[in-house]
Amino acid sequence: KAGVTQTPRYLIKTRGQQVTLSCSPISGHRSVSWYQQTPGQGLQFLFEYFSETQRNKGNFPGRFSGRQFSNSRSEMNVSTLELGDSALYLCASSPATGPYGYTFGSGTRLTVV
Amino acid sequence: GENVEQHPSTLSVQEGDSAVIKCTYSDSASNYFPWYKQELGKGPQLIIDIRSNVGEKKDQRIAVTLNKTAKHFSLHITETQPEDSAVYFCAASSGGSEKLVFGKGTKLTVNP
Repeated sequence: KAGVTQTPRYLIKTRGQQVTLSCSPISGHRSVSWYQQTPGQGLQFLFEYFSETQRNKGNFPGRFSGRQFSNSRSEMNVSTLELGDSALYLCASSPATGPYGYTFGSGTRLTVV
Repeated sequence: GENVEQHPSTLSVQEGDSAVIKCTYSDSASNYFPWYKQELGKGPQLIIDIRSNVGEKKDQRIAVTLNKTAKHFSLHITETQPEDSAVYFCAASSGGSEKLVFGKGTKLTVNP
C-alpha cells in the first residue's frame, strides 16, 4: 500500500515569507503528527491532528500552524519565516490517536535564505 | 517534561559483530518506547517498539530491553550487516500523550 506522501520534497524560501507543506497519510490512518528535525535540536514534536482536531501542540511559536481535512490529509503552515526555521519537516501517520506505530514520510526539506 | 538521552552518538562495528545503543528517560510515567532507523534522504522507519509491561522483545536480529526501575532501555542488533548502517533514534511517550520525545540519535557504521 502507498506510504505517507509529503510534498514538496524541497523548498527554498526567503525570510519573512510564509510556506505551506502537505502530508497525505496512509489510507485509513486518521492521525497525522508533524515533527521538525534539525542537526542541533533533533526531532521535535510540532502538533498532532486526529479527525480534523488538533490534539496536542509542541513548544513552537504561533507562526507554526496546521490543519487536517476530512480525508485526513494535513497541511502545516509557517508564517514570517526565519533562518532558524530551516529544517526537515516530517509527518507521521498512525491508525488512531497517539504515537503508536507511526509511519513517517520522507519529509520536506525547507531552506530559508 | 520528558527527556531522553541516547548513547553513544556514533558507533562503528565490524560486519558480524553486535551493536548496542542505550537510552535513558526521565518521566516514570512513560510507557511506550519505539526505536527508529533513518537512512539518508528518508524519514525514520519504526524497527521495533516495546511497552512498559514487557521487559524484552525480539524480532530476528533486533531486540529491545527495558529496565523500568532504572529508566533505561537498549537496542541490540546481532550479526550486523552493512545495510544496518544508518542513524538510530530511541523515543519515549507517556500514557495519554500524543507525542514522542526522541533521543539525539546514534550513527551506526557497519564496516564490511
